[in-house]
Amino acid sequence: DAGVTQSPTHLIKTRGQQVTLRCSPKSGHDTVSWYQQALGQGPQFIFQYYEEEERQRGNFPDRFSGHQFPNYSSELNVNALLLGDSALYLCASSTGGAGTEAFFGQGTRLTVV
Amino acid sequence: GIQVEQSPPDLILQEGANSTLRCNFSDSVNNLQWFHQNPWGQLINLFYIPSGTKQNGRLSATTVATERYSLLYISSSQTTDSGVYFCAVERSFKTIFGAGTRLFVKA
Repeated sequence: DAGVTQSPTHLIKTRGQQVTLRCSPKSGHDTVSWYQQALGQGPQFIFQYYEEEERQRGNFPDRFSGHQFPNYSSELNVNALLLGDSALYLCASSTGGAGTEAFFGQGTRLTVV
Repeated sequence: GIQVEQSPPDLILQEGANSTLRCNFSDSVNNLQWFHQNPWGQLINLFYIPSGTKQNGRLSATTVATERYSLLYISSSQTTDSGVYFCAVERSFKTIFGAGTRLFVKA
Protein backbone atom coordinates (compact mmCIF):
# COMPACT_ATOMS: atom_id res chain seq x y z
CA ASP A 1 0.00 0.00 0.00
CA ALA A 2 1.65 3.19 -1.21
CA GLY A 3 1.61 6.03 1.24
CA VAL A 4 1.43 9.72 0.41
CA THR A 5 3.99 10.66 -2.22
CA GLN A 6 5.24 14.14 -3.09
CA SER A 7 7.38 15.42 -5.92
CA PRO A 8 9.89 16.81 -6.31
CA THR A 9 11.80 16.27 -3.05
CA HIS A 10 13.95 19.37 -3.46
CA LEU A 11 13.59 22.46 -5.60
CA ILE A 12 15.49 25.71 -6.07
CA LYS A 13 13.70 28.68 -7.65
CA THR A 14 14.48 32.33 -8.25
CA ARG A 15 12.52 35.14 -6.65
CA GLY A 16 9.56 36.11 -8.82
CA GLN A 17 9.24 32.71 -10.49
CA GLN A 18 6.32 30.30 -10.18
CA VAL A 19 6.45 26.76 -8.78
CA THR A 20 4.19 23.69 -8.86
CA LEU A 21 4.39 20.94 -6.26
CA ARG A 22 2.61 17.60 -6.60
CA CYS A 23 1.01 15.14 -4.19
CA SER A 24 -0.52 11.69 -4.61
CA PRO A 25 -2.71 10.62 -1.69
CA LYS A 26 -2.65 7.34 0.17
CA SER A 27 -4.74 4.63 -1.45
CA GLY A 28 -8.40 4.99 -0.45
CA HIS A 29 -8.07 8.65 0.54
CA ASP A 30 -10.00 11.40 -1.26
CA THR A 31 -8.92 14.54 0.63
CA VAL A 32 -5.63 16.40 0.34
CA SER A 33 -4.31 19.17 2.59
CA TRP A 34 -1.20 21.31 2.10
CA TYR A 35 1.06 22.81 4.76
CA GLN A 36 4.06 25.13 4.87
CA GLN A 37 6.71 24.51 7.50
CA ALA A 38 9.37 27.16 8.02
CA LEU A 39 12.60 26.17 9.76
CA GLY A 40 12.10 25.61 13.47
CA GLN A 41 8.32 26.03 13.37
CA GLY A 42 5.27 23.83 13.23
CA PRO A 43 3.46 23.22 9.93
CA GLN A 44 0.99 25.94 8.91
CA PHE A 45 -2.24 24.94 7.14
CA ILE A 46 -2.51 26.35 3.60
CA PHE A 47 -5.71 24.74 2.25
CA GLN A 48 -7.65 21.51 1.88
CA TYR A 49 -9.11 20.00 -1.29
CA TYR A 50 -12.08 17.63 -1.39
CA GLU A 51 -14.15 16.64 -4.44
CA GLU A 52 -11.90 18.85 -6.59
CA GLU A 53 -12.89 21.96 -4.63
CA GLU A 54 -11.04 24.04 -2.05
CA ARG A 55 -13.00 23.23 1.10
CA GLN A 56 -11.03 25.23 3.67
CA ARG A 57 -8.19 27.73 3.57
CA GLY A 58 -5.66 29.05 6.04
CA ASN A 59 -4.19 32.53 6.26
CA PHE A 60 -2.17 32.51 3.03
CA PRO A 61 -2.26 35.05 0.17
CA ASP A 62 -3.83 34.38 -3.22
CA ARG A 63 -0.36 33.67 -4.63
CA PHE A 64 -0.92 30.21 -3.17
CA SER A 65 -3.42 28.22 -5.22
CA GLY A 66 -4.18 24.59 -5.74
CA HIS A 67 -5.96 22.00 -7.74
CA GLN A 68 -7.31 18.50 -7.18
CA PHE A 69 -7.71 16.05 -10.02
CA PRO A 70 -10.41 13.36 -10.48
CA ASN A 71 -7.92 10.71 -9.25
CA TYR A 72 -7.62 12.75 -5.99
CA SER A 73 -4.02 13.81 -6.61
CA SER A 74 -3.30 17.46 -6.03
CA GLU A 75 -1.02 20.34 -7.00
CA LEU A 76 0.09 23.37 -5.04
CA ASN A 77 1.03 26.42 -7.11
CA VAL A 78 2.89 29.42 -5.76
CA ASN A 79 3.24 32.52 -7.95
CA ALA A 80 5.62 35.46 -7.66
CA LEU A 81 7.93 33.63 -5.26
CA LEU A 82 9.40 35.54 -2.34
CA LEU A 83 12.47 34.66 -0.31
CA GLY A 84 10.12 34.04 2.60
CA ASP A 85 8.42 31.21 0.70
CA SER A 86 11.48 29.06 1.32
CA ALA A 87 10.20 26.19 3.45
CA LEU A 88 9.28 22.53 3.63
CA TYR A 89 5.92 21.97 1.95
CA LEU A 90 3.98 19.02 3.28
CA CYS A 91 1.00 17.26 1.83
CA ALA A 92 -1.41 15.15 3.90
CA SER A 93 -4.21 12.87 2.81
CA SER A 94 -7.29 11.66 4.63
CA THR A 95 -10.85 10.54 3.96
CA GLY A 96 -13.58 13.09 3.43
CA GLY A 97 -15.26 13.21 6.82
CA ALA A 98 -14.42 15.67 9.56
CA GLY A 99 -11.92 14.54 12.13
CA THR A 100 -10.40 11.63 10.22
CA GLU A 101 -6.76 10.58 10.57
CA ALA A 102 -4.29 12.33 8.29
CA PHE A 103 -1.10 10.84 6.84
CA PHE A 104 1.78 12.95 5.54
CA GLY A 105 4.17 12.72 2.64
CA GLN A 106 7.90 13.25 2.95
CA GLY A 107 7.66 16.87 1.84
CA THR A 108 9.17 19.11 -0.81
CA ARG A 109 11.96 21.40 0.34
CA LEU A 110 11.70 24.66 -1.62
CA THR A 111 14.53 27.17 -1.62
CA VAL A 112 13.95 30.60 -3.17
CA VAL A 113 17.12 32.52 -4.06
CA GLY B 1 -9.01 30.53 15.61
CA ILE B 2 -7.97 27.64 17.78
CA GLN B 3 -4.74 28.04 19.73
CA VAL B 4 -2.53 25.00 20.37
CA GLU B 5 0.20 25.17 22.99
CA GLN B 6 2.78 22.49 23.61
CA SER B 7 5.05 22.13 26.61
CA PRO B 8 7.86 21.93 27.32
CA PRO B 9 9.37 23.51 24.19
CA ASP B 10 12.66 21.65 24.72
CA LEU B 11 13.51 18.53 26.67
CA ILE B 12 16.80 16.72 27.27
CA LEU B 13 16.66 13.22 28.73
CA GLN B 14 19.12 10.54 29.69
CA GLU B 15 18.50 7.28 27.90
CA GLY B 16 16.08 5.17 29.92
CA ALA B 17 14.23 8.11 31.48
CA ASN B 18 10.48 8.71 31.20
CA SER B 19 8.80 11.91 30.04
CA THR B 20 5.42 13.55 29.58
CA LEU B 21 4.64 16.01 26.79
CA ARG B 22 1.55 18.20 27.02
CA CYS B 23 -0.76 19.76 24.44
CA ASN B 24 -3.42 22.32 25.40
CA PHE B 25 -6.01 23.57 22.93
CA SER B 26 -8.41 26.47 23.23
CA ASP B 27 -11.66 25.11 21.76
CA SER B 28 -13.52 21.88 20.99
CA VAL B 29 -12.01 19.83 18.18
CA ASN B 30 -12.99 16.92 15.93
CA ASN B 31 -9.61 15.26 15.97
CA LEU B 32 -6.25 15.28 17.72
CA GLN B 33 -3.10 13.59 16.47
CA TRP B 34 0.45 13.25 17.78
CA PHE B 35 3.34 13.12 15.32
CA HIS B 36 7.08 12.60 15.51
CA GLN B 37 9.10 14.49 12.90
CA ASN B 38 12.32 12.80 11.93
CA PRO B 39 15.48 14.72 10.91
CA TRP B 40 14.50 14.45 7.24
CA GLY B 41 11.18 16.18 7.85
CA GLN B 42 8.87 13.19 7.62
CA LEU B 43 5.91 13.37 10.01
CA ILE B 44 5.32 9.94 11.54
CA ASN B 45 1.86 9.19 12.94
CA LEU B 46 2.02 8.24 16.60
CA PHE B 47 -1.57 8.48 17.77
CA TYR B 48 -4.98 9.44 16.43
CA ILE B 49 -6.68 10.24 19.72
CA PRO B 50 -9.63 12.68 19.81
CA SER B 51 -10.46 11.29 23.25
CA GLY B 52 -9.49 8.50 25.62
CA THR B 53 -6.24 6.61 26.12
CA LYS B 54 -4.14 4.54 23.71
CA GLN B 55 -0.86 2.69 24.04
CA ASN B 56 1.68 1.58 21.47
CA GLY B 57 4.77 -0.06 22.94
CA ARG B 58 6.72 2.45 25.04
CA LEU B 59 4.42 5.29 24.00
CA SER B 60 0.98 6.09 25.28
CA ALA B 61 -1.36 9.05 24.96
CA THR B 62 -4.38 10.41 26.77
CA THR B 63 -6.79 13.10 25.56
CA VAL B 64 -9.31 14.72 27.90
CA ALA B 65 -11.47 16.54 25.38
CA THR B 66 -13.73 18.16 27.98
CA GLU B 67 -10.69 19.81 29.59
CA ARG B 68 -8.97 20.50 26.24
CA TYR B 69 -5.64 18.83 26.74
CA SER B 70 -3.69 15.78 25.64
CA LEU B 71 -0.62 14.08 27.09
CA LEU B 72 2.00 11.96 25.36
CA TYR B 73 4.01 9.63 27.59
CA ILE B 74 7.36 8.23 26.55
CA SER B 75 8.75 5.51 28.80
CA SER B 76 12.29 4.09 28.85
CA SER B 77 13.43 6.65 26.27
CA GLN B 78 15.93 5.68 23.59
CA THR B 79 18.25 7.82 21.45
CA THR B 80 16.04 7.06 18.46
CA ASP B 81 13.19 8.91 20.22
CA SER B 82 15.04 12.19 19.59
CA GLY B 83 13.33 14.65 17.30
CA VAL B 84 10.36 17.00 17.36
CA TYR B 85 6.95 15.93 18.64
CA PHE B 86 3.90 17.76 17.34
CA CYS B 87 0.32 17.84 18.49
CA ALA B 88 -2.24 18.76 15.81
CA VAL B 89 -5.96 19.42 16.20
CA GLU B 90 -8.64 19.62 13.53
CA ARG B 91 -11.83 21.64 13.50
CA SER B 92 -13.96 22.61 10.49
CA PHE B 93 -11.56 20.79 8.14
CA LYS B 94 -8.64 23.01 9.23
CA THR B 95 -5.71 21.44 11.11
CA ILE B 96 -3.66 23.53 13.53
CA PHE B 97 -0.28 22.38 14.80
CA GLY B 98 1.44 23.33 18.00
CA ALA B 99 4.99 24.67 17.92
CA GLY B 100 6.34 21.28 18.97
CA THR B 101 8.50 19.80 21.73
CA ARG B 102 12.13 19.25 20.73
CA LEU B 103 13.40 16.11 22.48
CA PHE B 104 17.02 15.05 22.71
CA VAL B 105 17.85 11.72 24.36
CA LYS B 106 21.46 11.32 25.47
CA ALA B 107 23.19 7.93 25.41
